Amino acid sequence: EPEVTQTPSHQVTQMGQEVILRCVPISNHLYFYWYRQILGQKVEFLVSFYNNEISEKSEIFDDQFSVERPDGSNFTLKIRSTKLEDSAMYFCASSGPPSLRYEQYFGPGTRLTVT
Amino acid sequence: GQNIDQPTEMTATEGAIVQINCTYQTSGFNGLFWYQQHAGEAPTFLSYNVLDGLEEKGRFSSFLSRSKGYSYLLLKELQMKDSASYLCAVRDGGTNAGKSTFGDGTTLTVKP
Repeated sequence: EPEVTQTPSHQVTQMGQEVILRCVPISNHLYFYWYRQILGQKVEFLVSFYNNEISEKSEIFDDQFSVERPDGSNFTLKIRSTKLEDSAMYFCASSGPPSLRYEQYFGPGTRLTVT
Repeated sequence: GQNIDQPTEMTATEGAIVQINCTYQTSGFNGLFWYQQHAGEAPTFLSYNVLDGLEEKGRFSSFLSRSKGYSYLLLKELQMKDSASYLCAVRDGGTNAGKSTFGDGTTLTVKP
């Protein structure tokens, strides 16, 4: 069964450094998402992406964050100048085709630890 | 603003039926999701309701009343593996991909 994959599974970085979290969505999906979940807290939407551009973004997704789909398979989240409060689990999700766009499949997540 | 309320914890017995409620007050509404999340794992999609009424999918059913800002997830024939957190999320973006606001989740414990 096709699945969303994410790398790395765990990333440790120092405050102020840049990180890139990588995701490979399911191959025929058209809609892509990033979420985060701080330990013990609720899931928070960051951004959605469709047709090679950002569709929606939350208040969390400020200039520190960017997303890219550099080729036909990868979907990346870049966090510039990381802060301690960016420590969280980051989930990528994908959905599609249009008739099934609400059924989102989540990847296993990348645990980001900022020290 | 967005406000989504779910009970924090629920306990039920194996083989029983449990109903997990969710009420919402959001500035926009384009549908409501239910997800299951086992501890330490990613959420798994269970259902999406955009119209009023009950949708059944195997042991799980989801109900929506837009006028009341209310939904519930019904789990029948509970199994031990159903012990997990159940997340209610409102889709409040109008674009193709949209955006979602999640509740804090309801931790369900199924006991033998």
